[in-house]
Amino acid sequence: EIVLTQSPGTLSLSPGERATLSCRASQSVSSSYLAWYQQKPGQAPRLLIYGASSRATGIPDRFSGSGSGTDFTLTISRLEPEDFAVYYCQQYGSSPLCTFGQGTKLEIK
Amino acid sequence: QLQLQESGSGLVKPSQTLSLTCAVSGGSISSGGYSWSWIRQPPGKGLEWIGYIYHSGSTYYNPSLKSRVTISVDRSKNQFSLKLSSVTAADTAVYYCASLFSLDGHFDYWGQGTLVTVSS
Repeated sequence: EIVLTQSPGTLSLSPGERATLSCRASQSVSSSYLAWYQQKPGQAPRLLIYGASSRATGIPDRFSGSGSGTDFTLTISRLEPEDFAVYYCQQYGSSPLCTFGQGTKLEIK
Repeated sequence: QLQLQESGSGLVKPSQTLSLTCAVSGGSISSGGYSWSWIRQPPGKGLEWIGYIYHSGSTYYNPSLKSRVTISVDRSKNQFSLKLSSVTAADTAVYYCASLFSLDGHFDYWGQGTLVTVSS
């Protein structure tokens, strides 16, 4: 069973700074099947990145994804106030077919 | 653009069956390329995939829930449903329906979520 571990659990940064969020898989994940989501309180998750590095429709270019194999990264180049939220990575294809990471909370410092 | 909307009972007694429906608009549930999924989130916790039904009718469930889960489709109403049997307090969560883009396995459209509480 594949497990996705996100780090750090909480990241405290200021607007304008760069955020780097990590997602590590217990087994290799196809890059085609790695996605990132943003979730704000009381809202459904929103797709940010799919295929490890492709931005979803309407997502600003300050969001970027990279990585392969077992190590993936979501980078937010310059934090805007609306970017403070919880971020999840997700893999598809390996048992149990679909898995989410436990999330990284990005909070204002 | 797809829109998804969950509906169903917000309060279920322990040992009973949770039943939710997701109405899909803006596209046909029978069209290829998408699977129709359920995901849940216990209060204050992370996301857990429950399962999905492919447009062909094939179903895939999280092994941890497989014995209690049924996902079905009603093509005439353009909606799909979730049944979770023998619920306990641990099944209390916000339940989301979502469309899974089958080619690369990401969830691109989500319902707003519905809170289901298991309590006597």
